[in-house]
Amino acid sequence: QLQLQESGPGLVKPSETLSLTCTVSGGSLSSNTYSWGWVRQPPGKGLQWIGNIYYSGTIYYAPSLKSRLTISVDTPNNHVSLKLSSVTAADTAVYYCGRLGSSLQLTDWGQGTLVTVSS
Amino acid sequence: DIQLTQSPSFLSASVGDRVTITCRASQGISSYLVWYQQKPGKAPQLLISAASTLHSGVPSRFSGSGSGTEFTLTISSLQPEDFATYYCQQVNGYPFTFGPGTEVDIK
Repeated sequence: QLQLQESGPGLVKPSETLSLTCTVSGGSLSSNTYSWGWVRQPPGKGLQWIGNIYYSGTIYYAPSLKSRLTISVDTPNNHVSLKLSSVTAADTAVYYCGRLGSSLQLTDWGQGTLVTVSS
Repeated sequence: DIQLTQSPSFLSASVGDRVTITCRASQGISSYLVWYQQKPGKAPQLLISAASTLHSGVPSRFSGSGSGTEFTLTISSLQPEDFATYYCQQVNGYPFTFGPGTEVDIK
């Protein structure tokens, strides 16, 4: 079973770029059979879909984030990356990565990482 | 975007109760509906995909049904470990969207 773990700076200044890594263990991204998703959750609020990256290379982003967002797969290092530029306090959230199953569900989740945007 | 609503938003129930949560979509999404459970401070966990397919390891007291615009998650006999927040998610079209959640609390 795959294990996922998000990592990154817990504190980011406004206008800077948030960079997160989702490290995958128990499977190799070089097999090109996995697809991935990112979800975030502002403190005390519900889940917000951020984007998906498929093994085919196709990527979909949430329209509200699309202009600032980049999701990619780093095959040699076996991780999935998220970069969100020009962050504001509204981007403060727990960020989760997950593996997509065949019905587009997030089957395996990381434990999440809290990112706070503050000066 | 496809909007999802959940009802109720909050539910107080006792151990052993039968619980039903409804998720409604603003347009038809066939069976492209997923249910997750989230406990405080934890990542969500997959319960059901494709509206009614129980994820491996999920107890059989959980079941899902529906298609089109109306879906239900049913817990046949609520257990202490089921007190959590439940979210539906549509995966029919981009952007994927989540419902606002239903919090199930102990009566």
